[in-house]
Amino acid sequence: DAKTTQPPSMDCAEGRAANLPCNHSTISGNEYVYWYRQIHSQGPQYIIHGLKNNETNEMASLIITEDRKSSTLILPHATLRDTAVYYCIVSEIQGAQKLVFGQGTRLTINP
Amino acid sequence: GAVVSQHPSWVICKSGTSVKIECRSLDFQATTMFWYRQFPKQSLMLMATSNEGSKATYEQGVEKDKFLINHASLTLSTLTVTSAHPEDSSFYICSAINRRSYTFGSGTRLTVV
Repeated sequence: DAKTTQPPSMDCAEGRAANLPCNHSTISGNEYVYWYRQIHSQGPQYIIHGLKNNETNEMASLIITEDRKSSTLILPHATLRDTAVYYCIVSEIQGAQKLVFGQGTRLTINP
Repeated sequence: GAVVSQHPSWVICKSGTSVKIECRSLDFQATTMFWYRQFPKQSLMLMATSNEGSKATYEQGVEKDKFLINHASLTLSTLTVTSAHPEDSSFYICSAINRRSYTFGSGTRLTVV
C-alpha cells in the first residue's frame, strides 16, 4: 500500500505558484520523499527528492516539515505544460526499496 | 542524466501470442529494475522487481508464468507477456535505480486484439 496521502485534484492559474501537499505520517528515518509527475501516456518524470532538509532544483522546491510527516512540492511559476498527475512517494533507496505509487494529485494549470 | 530506454513504445498483437518488452539503462548499470502496469485513469501498479542474475520477485496477484521477466545483464531487463489476452492490454512501464533516484522508461502501450 502507498504510504502517502494526496488530494485527488488541484487547479492553479498559469504564472502562479502551485503548492502540492502530501502527507506521509508513517515515514521512517531512512526513507526519502520523492516527487514524480506523469503527463498523459508517458513514463513518470523525476522532479525532486529529499530526506529532511528543504530542497530546490531547476524544476521545483520541496519543503519537508520538521517532523517529516508531510511535505509540499512547489512549482514557482506554473505553466500549461505543468498540467500532469503528481505523485509523492516515500522510499528507502539504499535498500533498493520499490516505489509504490498512490493515486497522486491531478494538477490542472488554467490559462 | 540517467536514461532508461523502453522498446517498443507501442505494440498490437493477436490474442494468444507473446510479446517481449525491453528496458535498457543507457548510461548506468542497473542491478535492480521494476516493472509496472497502468490501466486507463489509474495509478501505476507494481508488477515485479527484477534483479540482475537472479529470479524476479513478483507482487501478490501477478502471475509469474504469464509475465516472464529476465534480467540477464546490468543494462537490460525484459518483460514477456505470454499468451496475451485482451485483458492484458495496458501501459507497461519499467524503472531502474540510479544512485539516489529512480528513472522511468517512456512506457509501452500494449493492445491485444
